[in-house]
Amino acid sequence: ILNVEQSPQSLHVQEGDSTNFTCSFPSSNFYALHWYRWETAKSPEALFVMTLNGDEKKKGRISATLNTKEGYSYLYIKGSQPEDSATYLCASAGGGNTGKLIFGQGTTLQVKP
Amino acid sequence: EPEVTQTPSHQVTQMGQEVILRCVPISNHLYFYWYRQILGQKVEFLVSFYNNEISEKSEIFDDQFSVERPDGSNFTLKIRSTKLEDSAMYFCASSVEWGQPQHFGDGTRLSIL
Repeated sequence: ILNVEQSPQSLHVQEGDSTNFTCSFPSSNFYALHWYRWETAKSPEALFVMTLNGDEKKKGRISATLNTKEGYSYLYIKGSQPEDSATYLCASAGGGNTGKLIFGQGTTLQVKP
Repeated sequence: EPEVTQTPSHQVTQMGQEVILRCVPISNHLYFYWYRQILGQKVEFLVSFYNNEISEKSEIFDDQFSVERPDGSNFTLKIRSTKLEDSAMYFCASSVEWGQPQHFGDGTRLSIL
């Protein structure tokens, strides 16, 4: 059974701070790792889909890395802004190629102006 | 930008009643999913659907649940006889391909009384 864990559960930073969170997932039978950004009262928004060990993806001030051998991914936000305040979810797509995503519990980021 | 739309946004139903949650996926997407989030818990996979067939379903998705794509645009989730523990936020998602980002709707909040 896949178990995806994220840490920390919540994070409060000042505007301009850089921050990072962790997602850990079972490394066996790995297929892909998804990151989503979820603002309150909106739908989760896809940030990245990562598949290759050592992969690094970037979208503006947000970037992510992937280590499939040890089963973790980091999400980095450089120079946090209040609009970055959201819950960041990671999800592992296990083998079987059916699109099933197993989600972590999320990291809730609050950026204070 | 195309969106996944879900109706209704909130559904209140008596225990034992049938409910149908409706979703209109993005028009060129071929892969469809239902997830749910019980308050305070992780987002859980329910079912994935492709080519008019269920590709994978979770243990949660028992005989009380069914999905259908009745007319080529809607994708529905039916719960035949609702239980109190079915109270949750239900999310529909769609993707172009397995392994591609999944696009989520805003969710339907289902409250069982």
